[in-house]
Amino acid sequence: DGGITQSPKYLFRKEGQNVTLSCEQNLNHDAMYWYRQDPGQGLRLIYYSQIVNDFQKGDIAEGYSVSREKKESFPLTVTSAQKNPTAFYLCASESLNSNQPQHFGDGTRLSIL
Amino acid sequence: DAKTTQPPSMDCAEGRAANLPCNHSTISGNEYVYWYRQIHSQGPQYIIHGLKNNETNEMASLIITEDRKSSTLILPHATLRDTAVYYCIVRVAAAGNKLTFGGGTRVLVKP
Repeated sequence: DGGITQSPKYLFRKEGQNVTLSCEQNLNHDAMYWYRQDPGQGLRLIYYSQIVNDFQKGDIAEGYSVSREKKESFPLTVTSAQKNPTAFYLCASESLNSNQPQHFGDGTRLSIL
Repeated sequence: DAKTTQPPSMDCAEGRAANLPCNHSTISGNEYVYWYRQIHSQGPQYIIHGLKNNETNEMASLIITEDRKSSTLILPHATLRDTAVYYCIVRVAAAGNKLTFGGGTRVLVKP
């Protein structure tokens, strides 16, 4: 099945530790996105990428880093500089053809030990 | 991106149509209306989108007013599995434009 795969589904981080969330898509989409969702809230954009080896900061990029070495992969690293990382992280992708919707993965829930 | 206004919650009887309203009075001419829903602890699921014409797919219908300042998502025969938070979003249809999720409407389908 074509789609977006996020792993792991649940992740725990110790204080001072960096963790990396995986996002893979086999939809041949050019653009990929990372959003953060806090309980009862909407989604906020962290980073996005429209092409391999290029990415832009979203609204809340501080404490996060990304890479886009392959079209199908857009991993997100939550660094120790992110002081409040507990949240639900969602990856999305879309075609560069206009008016096509973004599609989402099932998310990774990150908690602090 | 223009903002949207939705009622915070609504109930619907199983098997009946659910009509979800959305106001987007400041929508621009090149902005589409998108609808997503999110079931607890899952990623948002795309439902439907449109520019100015009414749209229908296997999941729902989208009715956009002629002045484009509001729209209605119609779930024709609601099931218990349609219980979710429904988001109405307006966005210029170009990659790199984020989806701005507001509070959405929490829909509870009751037996």
